[in-house]
Amino acid sequence: NAGVTQTPKFQVLKTGQSMTLQCAQDMNHNSMYWYRQDPGMGLRLIYYSASEGTTDKGEVPNGYNVSRLNKREFSLRLESAAPSQTSVYFCASSGQAPGNTIYFGEGSWLTVV
Amino acid sequence: GDSVTQMEGPVTLSEEAFLTINCTYTATGYPSLFWYVQYPGEGLQLLLKATKADDKGSNKGFEATYRKETTSFHLEKGSVQVSDSAVYFCALDGSSNTGKLIFGQGTTLQVKP
Repeated sequence: NAGVTQTPKFQVLKTGQSMTLQCAQDMNHNSMYWYRQDPGMGLRLIYYSASEGTTDKGEVPNGYNVSRLNKREFSLRLESAAPSQTSVYFCASSGQAPGNTIYFGEGSWLTVV
Repeated sequence: GDSVTQMEGPVTLSEEAFLTINCTYTATGYPSLFWYVQYPGEGLQLLLKATKADDKGSNKGFEATYRKETTSFHLEKGSVQVSDSAVYFCALDGSSNTGKLIFGQGTTLQVKP
């Protein structure tokens, strides 16, 4: 059971470069999420997708774009990376009933220099 | 808006000691409440949850009770082990129960043999 799989696990970017974080889930979940984790700040929601074909902004969307390619896949793109985007990124998915468990990927460590 | 506040860490305990990690929340309506655990280098895993007032979530010896009157969801364990060393996050699913979690800042637990 793969669950939520995200790639790459580690990436170093130069300021201004672009990259895409990939995420896929095999649990037939409708909802998918991208969070970032920074020291002392917990996790903050960047974008989420309630279903295939829909996306919406979370708490910290600036500097990011997302694509819900199909029900399984939800990618996060940094068009012009900045040092402030150095963080650990987590993809997650869940069903849509209230109180459903949200399942997380193992994280992607991104450093922007 | 909705928010979660956790006790500051790190918390350092000896093996077999009693653990309490405080969590209080602010939310309108009736959110679902969660505790997630993050082991070093890994993603977040659901530890336990409660979806309505007075519910008690429990798993692996940990438990937490949803207290609406005190807006709290404190995590407890009677006897911690070295393997419990991790970062613990309290979270709520906002009042609209959309699955978009709001996290506390996390509490690091270190258990010494």
